[in-house]
Amino acid sequence: SQQGEEDPQALSIQEGENATMNCSYKTSINNLQWYRQNSGRGLVHLILIRSNEREKHSGRLRVTLDTSKKSSSLLITASRAADTASYFCATPRRGGSQGNLIFGKGTKLSVKP
Amino acid sequence: SQTIHQWPATLVQPVGSPLSLECTVEGTSNPNLYWYRQAAGRGLQLLFYSVGIGQISSEVPQNLSASRPQDRQFILSSKKLLLSDSGFYLCAWSVPRFPAGNTIYFGEGSWLTVV
Repeated sequence: SQQGEEDPQALSIQEGENATMNCSYKTSINNLQWYRQNSGRGLVHLILIRSNEREKHSGRLRVTLDTSKKSSSLLITASRAADTASYFCATPRRGGSQGNLIFGKGTKLSVKP
Repeated sequence: SQTIHQWPATLVQPVGSPLSLECTVEGTSNPNLYWYRQAAGRGLQLLFYSVGIGQISSEVPQNLSASRPQDRQFILSSKKLLLSDSGFYLCAWSVPRFPAGNTIYFGEGSWLTVV
């Protein structure tokens, strides 16, 4: 079964508002990552949170991980038009090599100026 | 610093024609290498990964093949393209070391349209 299901599928907000995206997964993990993809471009790694961490910050990004609920959230504070992109969570593939990840289908974020 | 180059950026190919997408990584040794495909409006699907020269693992049965002739070179090929091969192909690399090894670094992608 697929890991890393994000919701919502699409999110539209005004500049300055906060954006929250959620990710659920089904099996135990040792870490979870969030990536960003601008339209038609490659993915860019944003943040990695380990299973023994509950929260992690990077600039305007805040990621939480709840291993009991098998869920993670990505919060972008004070959003900007430049934050418009798709955001994916990714988890390690069980039994896979290092770096072998399963990606969700992503949340498409639109930030209106 | 490490960089990844992937080409061509876009191509339009007729059904039944061959395909070759190439990817090279600079600034690191013995990386894990990956080919992903992203169909329109869908998530990423891992096609192949490689942990060393000549070592290729396939994740899904398909019309494509991959090769790693050099440590930092990864090639995606097909002898005869199908319409269903259309999509956005992403090459990626990671360091083969936990936990940093779980972070994947992507190229800019190649848009393939089979007509």
